[in-house]
Amino acid sequence: DTGVSQNPRHKITKRGQNVTFRCDPISEHNRLYWYRQTLGQGPEFLTYFQNEAQLEKSRLLSDRFSAERPKGSFSTLEIQRTEQGDSAMYLCASSPPRDGPIGGYTFGSGTRLTVV
Amino acid sequence: GNSVTQMEGPVTLSEEAFLTINCTYTATGYPSLFWYVQYPGEGLQLLLKATKADDKGSNKGFEATYRKETTSFHLEKGSVQVSDSAVYFCANYGGSQGNLIFGKGTKLSVKP
Repeated sequence: DTGVSQNPRHKITKRGQNVTFRCDPISEHNRLYWYRQTLGQGPEFLTYFQNEAQLEKSRLLSDRFSAERPKGSFSTLEIQRTEQGDSAMYLCASSPPRDGPIGGYTFGSGTRLTVV
Repeated sequence: GNSVTQMEGPVTLSEEAFLTINCTYTATGYPSLFWYVQYPGEGLQLLLKATKADDKGSNKGFEATYRKETTSFHLEKGSVQVSDSAVYFCANYGGSQGNLIFGKGTKLSVKP
C-alpha cells in the first residue's frame, strides 16, 4: 500500500462549475477525513467517515458540498456551483480502527483547487 | 471547544541552531497532542505525539513534552539542519469523532 492517494493533484475551474475530488485511503483504515487548508492557515475539518457512514460534518461544509464513501473504501468530495472562496487545498486523511485518531492520521498530498 | 495556538513565523535559523516552536492549547479534559510537518510540495506527516500529561514525544531529533500545568506542547530540536525547513503544525485531538484541531502553522527556514 502506497499511502493515501488523492486525485487530481490540481484542479482549475470556472466559478459556478461543479468539481469532484477523489480520495483512496490506506486499505485497512476504516476512518476517513476531509480537511480544507487555505494559504497561511492550518487544515480545517470538513467531514468524517467511519466505514461508509458519514458521522460528522463541520459547519464549514455548506449545502454546496457533499461527500460520499459508498462502499467504505474510496471517498469523493463534490463542490457544486464553485465560488472563488472555495479555492484551497483539500486534504484527505485516514486512520486505522485500532488506534483511531490517537495514533495520528496519514494524509494524502491533497488536491489544490483554484476557482477563476 | 478545543483550540491550539502556535507561534507565528516565519522562523529563520542557521544550521545547528537550537529550535523552539511554541504551542499552547485549550481543551476540555486532557486531549492527545500532535506535531505534524509539511515539507515543501508534500502532504502533512505526523512528526510526534503525546497522549497524556508529562509524556514526551520524540522523532528525528525533535521533542515535545505534554505540560498540563502550562497547557503547552512546545516543539524543540537541539541542532537543526537545512532539511528541517518546512511548515510545522501543532494539533489537538478535538473530540469524540476524532477530528484534529490544527494551529496555523509555523514556517521554519534553516540556512546553511
